[in-house]
Amino acid sequence: LAKTTQPISMDSYEGQEVNITCSHNNIATNDYITWYQQFPSQGPRFIIQGYKTKVTNEVASLFIPADRKSSTLSLPRVSLSDTAVYYCLVVPKAAGNKLTFGGGTRVLVKP
Amino acid sequence: EAGVTQFPSHSVIEKGQTVTLRCDPISGHDNLYWYRRVMGKEIKFLLHFVKESKQDESGMPNNRFLAERTGGTYSTLKVQPAELEDSGVYFCASSQEGSTSGRRGSETQYFGPGTRLLVL
Repeated sequence: LAKTTQPISMDSYEGQEVNITCSHNNIATNDYITWYQQFPSQGPRFIIQGYKTKVTNEVASLFIPADRKSSTLSLPRVSLSDTAVYYCLVVPKAAGNKLTFGGGTRVLVKP
Repeated sequence: EAGVTQFPSHSVIEKGQTVTLRCDPISGHDNLYWYRRVMGKEIKFLLHFVKESKQDESGMPNNRFLAERTGGTYSTLKVQPAELEDSGVYFCASSQEGSTSGRRGSETQYFGPGTRLLVL
């Protein structure tokens, strides 16, 4: 399984854009880049997934360069409620795969 | 649609006692996973059920842990006897076979809120 590396923590302010970059140098051809969000006292929650280029949904955008060795999660105009831990995972396409979590990035949004 | 539920939300027991955690997956989800995070560590996989069958139990730490999923619905994780190092948060997740996060993505796992276990 591809190992991921991401910042331990990041601070931001309300209304700013937060970008979290994750490196996954050993990503395999059939791997998808997946991000989960975890609030205190809750389980992780899926937020976005991509394979290449750019993916956008109502929560975030995910940018993946051509070599796929890294990815950047972008949270537009964060609010206090976006304070959470964000996990970057590399997940094989096949169903029934366990998720391998790293340490995640603790994002603190300040007023 | 109800999400993944776990019971109890918290459990405090003494070393040597037995504790049973329960997970109710989203209805219709064949895949059920158990994960845990012990203090200061990362979330780690424990095991995976497909319906009532254990697909992968490579993450189970030792034989004091027993997971079951009779009938392919809810699952229980029993720790007997509990040790101090078993303290942590136990998460359950479920997914639907063949469901993906995108048109060609990998499956999405839906997590419960976790059970916080403290062994004294």
